[in-house]
Amino acid sequence: RKEVEQDPGPFNVPEGATVAFNCTYSNSASQSFFWYRQDCRKEPKLLMSVYSSGNEDGRFTAQLNRASQYISLLIRDSKLSDSATYLCVVNTGNQFYFGTGTSLTVIP
Amino acid sequence: GAVVSQHPSWVICKSGTSVKIECRSLDFQATTMFWYRQFPKQSLMLMATSNEGSKATYEQGVEKDKFLINHASLTLSTLTVTSAHPEDSSFYICSAPKGAGNYGYTFGSGTRLTVV
Repeated sequence: RKEVEQDPGPFNVPEGATVAFNCTYSNSASQSFFWYRQDCRKEPKLLMSVYSSGNEDGRFTAQLNRASQYISLLIRDSKLSDSATYLCVVNTGNQFYFGTGTSLTVIP
Repeated sequence: GAVVSQHPSWVICKSGTSVKIECRSLDFQATTMFWYRQFPKQSLMLMATSNEGSKATYEQGVEKDKFLINHASLTLSTLTVTSAHPEDSSFYICSAPKGAGNYGYTFGSGTRLTVV
């Protein structure tokens, strides 16, 4: 079983829509979780860390469910500029595991 | 803050030659540097972890004699792809922890290697 599983999409949504991505992880001992955004042919950039209590940054909300071992990212009021690949990253011990990335395209 | 500068951004080389990729932490000390490889439409795959002053730790399946990693100082880590072949063509990227605690990781800008 993969350490991190993520639906690759693609997700094609209209501007203004709300879209949610999920990521499951296999190791219950995983301690840190992140969402990264990767634009085409560029390096990933940290979007937000994911905290147990859930956290929000503007239109973006990240949540962690330790019992079910998944993290989620919710994007509200999608903008064209949100089009990118979103990677979940799970830190277990000294290792970082990346999801395959979910491709999002926001359509005018 | 917490910027990692990676060079070169892209390189084209002939099969059989060696290519060195550098990652420098500009405004912090990177005691640890992670090296990743990403093939088209695939996720980042960890190749190795380099620690300043000690030997790098390689992931299973990664040839340490082919991918030489050196972490010479707290601000510089290098990856040398020796005797490169077309199958080594990929996007190589380094990453370092931003600091103690849950601050995430900062990535270099990546190196697109094409071996012809």
